[in-house]
Amino acid sequence: AQRVTQPEKLLSVFKGAPVELKCNYSYSGSPELFWYVQYSRQRLQLLLRHISRESIKGFTADLNKGETSFHLKKPFAQEEDSAMYYCALSPYAGNMLTFGGGTRLMVKP
Amino acid sequence: DVKVTQSSRYLVKRTGEKVFLECVQDMDHENMFWYRQDPGLGLRLIYFSYDVKMKEKGDIPEGYSVSREKKERFSLILESASTNQTSMYLCASLTRNTEAFFGQGTRLTVV
Repeated sequence: AQRVTQPEKLLSVFKGAPVELKCNYSYSGSPELFWYVQYSRQRLQLLLRHISRESIKGFTADLNKGETSFHLKKPFAQEEDSAMYYCALSPYAGNMLTFGGGTRLMVKP
Repeated sequence: DVKVTQSSRYLVKRTGEKVFLECVQDMDHENMFWYRQDPGLGLRLIYFSYDVKMKEKGDIPEGYSVSREKKERFSLILESASTNQTSMYLCASLTRNTEAFFGQGTRLTVV
């Protein structure tokens, strides 16, 4: 069975500081990995996926198969980045998503 | 624009009541899911459905059942509500490339 772990429940940084939200997963195959974000009073939505290898809102995430990690990074945090972030895994395209426990990011002015 | 709509934003029910949570999507997606969202526990999968009349148990199906009579509608049923089912419930519809579109959530309180 697959499992996703986000070790930090809360991450607090100052505006302009670098941010790294950690995600570790366990799965025997080669899964698809995602980051979802939920801003205050908004729906949960896709932020980025590992196969697209793109930067969204300044965030990037690299899949490290050796360490089974998919950490989310941004070099300079902005106040509008404050949100709940969830890492998610799918065994293959179109299959169910397993989510981590989430990390609340607070960016202070 | 994909829309996933949950019938209620807030519900308050009594212990032992049968509760129906409805979810409708308008993009002809085959895969639909019900999660519950609890602080510190993230999203936990209750049930999912790959097609009409097809359902699979997720990680925490106990105390719940589902119905998918039409492709666009996926209902979650609490057979006999209990206080430990007080939670935020999220419905999602999944594209073939695994992008999930979520409803706005239903906050259920069982008293």
